[in-house]
Amino acid sequence: AQKITQTQPGMFVQEKEAVTLDCTYDTSDQSYGLFWYKQPSSGEMIFLIYQGSYDEQNATEGRYSLNFQKARKSANLVISASQLGDSAMYFCAMREGLTGGGNKLTFGTGTQLKVEL
Amino acid sequence: GAGVSQSPRYKVAKRGQDVALRCDPISGHVSLFWYQQALGQGPEFLTYFQNEAQLDKSGLPSDRFFAERPEGSVSTLKIQRTQQEDSAVYLCASSLKREPDRVLFFGSGTQLSVL
Repeated sequence: AQKITQTQPGMFVQEKEAVTLDCTYDTSDQSYGLFWYKQPSSGEMIFLIYQGSYDEQNATEGRYSLNFQKARKSANLVISASQLGDSAMYFCAMREGLTGGGNKLTFGTGTQLKVEL
Repeated sequence: GAGVSQSPRYKVAKRGQDVALRCDPISGHVSLFWYQQALGQGPEFLTYFQNEAQLDKSGLPSDRFFAERPEGSVSTLKIQRTQQEDSAVYLCASSLKREPDRVLFFGSGTQLSVL
């Protein structure tokens, strides 16, 4: 069975600073995908970044990067140069298998990020 | 539209009422998912469609929950005889099948409150 653990219920960061949101996962599969989604107060889940289990390089998307440590089963999200608009709930998720089809996502409980002036 | 559209945005039901929640996926997206998100929790999988075929309904919590996608586009999640524990946000997501298919695109959800 899959499991995603996000141990930080809430985080604060100063504007323009970097912040790391933690995520650890548990799976017996060799092939899997890891995702981060942002959920602002409007409720929509916004895709941020993806990492496949066989990807050798850490994924980056603009100000987002994923610190993938396979042996430790961690997939932390790093947000650089935080902006006020980054304040939201952030979810880590995992999918069994690498190609989509019907493979469903398992989500963690989320981390509420607050960016302060 | 450009994104996944869900309606209604909010729904209040009396216990025992039936409700129907609608999802319009992104045009051309083959795969459609329903998730349930309880307050303060991450979304939990309910069911999955590929075109009109419901390939996985393992997450539906009881036989009061029913989903359909008869023409392979719009989907409806129906909850019969609603209970207070059904109160949650119901999220719909869609994705292409042929792309590396790494991304689910979500709607804003329907917030269901059962009184």
